Amino acid sequence: KQEVTQIPAALSVPEGENLVLNCSFTDSAIYNLQWFRQDPGKGLTSLLLIQSSQREQTSGRLNASLDKSSGRSTLYIAASQPGDSATYLCAVKRNYGQNFVFGPGTRLSVLP
Amino acid sequence: DAGVIQSPRHEVTEMGQEVTLRCKPISGHDYLFWYRQTMMRGLELLIYFNNNVPIDDSGMPEDRFSAKMPNASFSTLKIQPSEPRDSAVYFCASSSRTANINYEQYFGPGTRLTVT
Repeated sequence: KQEVTQIPAALSVPEGENLVLNCSFTDSAIYNLQWFRQDPGKGLTSLLLIQSSQREQTSGRLNASLDKSSGRSTLYIAASQPGDSATYLCAVKRNYGQNFVFGPGTRLSVLP
Repeated sequence: DAGVIQSPRHEVTEMGQEVTLRCKPISGHDYLFWYRQTMMRGLELLIYFNNNVPIDDSGMPEDRFSAKMPNASFSTLKIQPSEPRDSAVYFCASSSRTANINYEQYFGPGTRLTVT
């Protein structure tokens, strides 16, 4: 059974810092991994998707890496801004079926 | 595209009443997912459809829950009878396998259900 964990559960940083959010999964037989952002009371917004054959994806100040063999992904946020404050979730899709398994999320607060 | 559309955005009902949540996926997407999010259990997949056919409903908590997709542009999630423990935010998401997207999920804004 695929299990996804995220560390830390919550993080508070001053504006301008670079930060790393971690996602771990137990079954390395994944098709892809997706990072989402969720603002309070809102839905999920897709940030980055990494296919199992890829090592990393970049979008603006965001960089996501994937190490399938070790069951880990990181989301790097450069020069954090107060507008980055949200909960960040990772989700993995297995090779078979369409079952996505979500992590519990990391709640990020960027202080001005 | 308007994205995934869900209605209602908020629903408050009394225990025992029937609740129907609605979803319109992104046009052209052939997968539709229903999720439930709670503080205790996080985001859980309830059921998903491919080309309007239910593929995996193993996440549906019990027989009180049912989902249908009568056509490619509409799906419902029904709870009958509702119970206070069903209170949660219910999300609908859709995806498609294309050369660039490859099952990337797009979520609706969710329906916040409160059962009193």
